Amino acid sequence: DTGVSQDPRHKITKRGQNVTFRCDPISEHNRLYWYRQTLGQGPEFLTYFQNEAQLEKSRLLSDRFSAERPKGSFSTLEIQRTEQGDSAMYLCASSYPRLGLQETQYFGPGTRLLVL
Amino acid sequence: ELKVEQNPLFLSMQEGKNYTIYCNYSTTSDRLYWYRQDPGKSLESLFVLLSNGAVKQEGRLMASLDTKARLSTLHITAAVHDLSATYFCAARGNYDKVIFGPGTSLSVIP
Repeated sequence: DTGVSQDPRHKITKRGQNVTFRCDPISEHNRLYWYRQTLGQGPEFLTYFQNEAQLEKSRLLSDRFSAERPKGSFSTLEIQRTEQGDSAMYLCASSYPRLGLQETQYFGPGTRLLVL
Repeated sequence: ELKVEQNPLFLSMQEGKNYTIYCNYSTTSDRLYWYRQDPGKSLESLFVLLSNGAVKQEGRLMASLDTKARLSTLHITAAVHDLSATYFCAARGNYDKVIFGPGTSLSVIP
């Protein structure tokens, strides 16, 4: 197992374009999280899946953002009509909660988005 | 709504010295995390603390949790240059949302 992977690692786009990012979690992990991180800030929670169900979505997330995890494995995050303020690092993390035991989120390398 | 604060935000310390980073959270949480992030890299898990009084140590880092005070600390012993990084604490709130603090940027100087 090579850990959480994300694709692409870097994306440059023009304002108004749509972008889609992919996250492949660690294979047995049923929880998957998306975060956004801007320079000098901590990761900001965006949304969270347990298997294929999207259980929570940040109120900060505008309607331009949508995430899916169709088969409970990989996930995609789409941003429509990108704005310059969307420029950030988008991080994916996965975990496998075991009752009574600690749960660690394993983070992927991130996708760095630059909107021109 | 759960909020997480860290203190200090920036820390410059000499090699060999000890220091503590503080993490306060605003509402009840059943899980407290510490992460390390190197520049341009993703986050590396350091500790997960589950219960009041929990203490975990790894090398020169020791983390503790006081759930009554809603406070976690990350203590650095005899700092070395390799510890230079940004350290984040995070707390788990309702619906498994994990809320991160702003981070503490640590620089260890000779």
